[in-house]
Amino acid sequence: NAGVMQNPRHLVRRRGQEARLRCSPMKGHSHVYWYRQLPEEGLKFMVYLQKENIIDESGMPKERFSAEFPKEGPSILRIQQVVRGDSAAYFCASSVGTGRLETQYFGPGTRLLVL
Amino acid sequence: GESVGLHLPTLSVQEGDNSIINCAYSNSASDYFIWYKQESGKGPQFIIDIRSNMDKRQGQRVTVLLNKTVKHLSLQIAATQPGDSAVYFCAEIRSSAGNMLTFGGGTRLMVKP
Repeated sequence: NAGVMQNPRHLVRRRGQEARLRCSPMKGHSHVYWYRQLPEEGLKFMVYLQKENIIDESGMPKERFSAEFPKEGPSILRIQQVVRGDSAAYFCASSVGTGRLETQYFGPGTRLLVL
Repeated sequence: GESVGLHLPTLSVQEGDNSIINCAYSNSASDYFIWYKQESGKGPQFIIDIRSNMDKRQGQRVTVLLNKTVKHLSLQIAATQPGDSAVYFCAEIRSSAGNMLTFGGGTRLMVKP
C-alpha cells in the first residue's frame, strides 16, 4: 500500500519562475493538506482540499500561491513568480476524509530552492 | 497567541534509557493530539495520537500522556534506540478550526550509543 507520494523531491527555480509541486494521496484517501516547513521549524498549514474543492485556504498567501485537487490526477501546489523567501520544504498529507479529527499521513516533501 | 510549543529543544539520552519529550498547549478547546517523528530529509511520520477524552495511550515502546488540567502532553519512549534519533513534533487539531494541524516547534532527540 503506497504512502503519500510527492514529486519532485527537489526543485530549483530562479526568481520569477513558476514552481509546481505534485501530491498523490494514499490509496483510499480523499482529503489533501499542504504544509510548509522552514529549517529548524515546525510545519505551517497552508491549504486543505478535497476533490475539486478547497475546504480551507486560510494559511496560504493571497498572492502567487494556488492549489487544486482535480477529479483525476494529483493535487498541485503552484507558486508563481517565486522569490527567495519561498525556499522551504513543502509537505503534503492525506486523510481518509470521512469526518473530523482524522490522522494525517505525510509524504516525503518537495524541497524548493529559489536562486 | 494560541499555540502548541515544546519545553526542550534538544534532548540527549543514552541508548537503552527511557526518553520523555514534553509539549505544552494553550488552547483548552484542542480535541486531538498527534506525535510525529521527522528524520533528516524526510516527512513527518505518525507515531501515536490521543483524543482529548483520554489521559493515556500506549503503543509499541511509546506512551502518550495528556494532562488537560495543565495543558501538557508528553511522549515517552522506552528503551531508546539509535534509530529513535530524530526531531519530534507534537501537533493538535481543534475541531472548531477545521482539520488543520497546528505544530509545535520540535524537539531534537539524540541517542548516544
